[in-house]
Amino acid sequence: ETGVTQSPTHLIKTRGQQVTLRCSSQSGHNTVSWYQQALGQGPQFIFQYYREEENGRGNFPPRFSGLQFPNYSSELNVNALELDDSALYLCASSPPLADTQYFGPGTRLTVL
Amino acid sequence: AQSVTQLGSHVSVSEGALVLLRCNYSSSVPPYLFWYVQYPNQGLQLLLKYTSAATLVKGINGFEAEFKKSETSFHLTKPSAHMSDAAEYFCAVSEGTSYDKVIFGPGTSLSVIP
Repeated sequence: ETGVTQSPTHLIKTRGQQVTLRCSSQSGHNTVSWYQQALGQGPQFIFQYYREEENGRGNFPPRFSGLQFPNYSSELNVNALELDDSALYLCASSPPLADTQYFGPGTRLTVL
Repeated sequence: AQSVTQLGSHVSVSEGALVLLRCNYSSSVPPYLFWYVQYPNQGLQLLLKYTSAATLVKGINGFEAEFKKSETSFHLTKPSAHMSDAAEYFCAVSEGTSYDKVIFGPGTSLSVIP
């Protein structure tokens, strides 16, 4: 157990809709990163939040956005869903000065 | 930009045999390197990491990996495969020295034959 939880476990949306995925980290983990893992591929870095501010972004369009809250929870929002957004979305958190990040179990998003 | 290649999308070994999963990276600066394992319908679990200390890194579940700068490799090994090792394995390299912004390889699926 990593102490990182994600909700929901599975989600089905239709093209053009908006979705919010949630992640709850361990207390004290002030850094959270989000990854997209398409079927049969490795995870791709979407962005990272540190102390509620975006702290780096991968090659994802602006319709992917996030929030981090003081209670160590965070959100990934995706607008105008496309079929290619179907994937497993993973969040990972890390405490200050650590050299390890801890992954949650992921949310499986299907876009029809 | 950093990248990771994993030779062999699928590897099969017999139970008790040596496990060797290959990883090569490209990085313009000394990287952090990681191996993660993913069991079906689960998130990623860190097996081991190289952070510029010893070049031979020991991880959990009997796995180890050796950092070879001259070959830009970080291959994962385990002397004797166990049925419970069947999973997807991902090699990853850090973005610069940021251990938590990592670039993952495409993964290698390990099957263990009884």
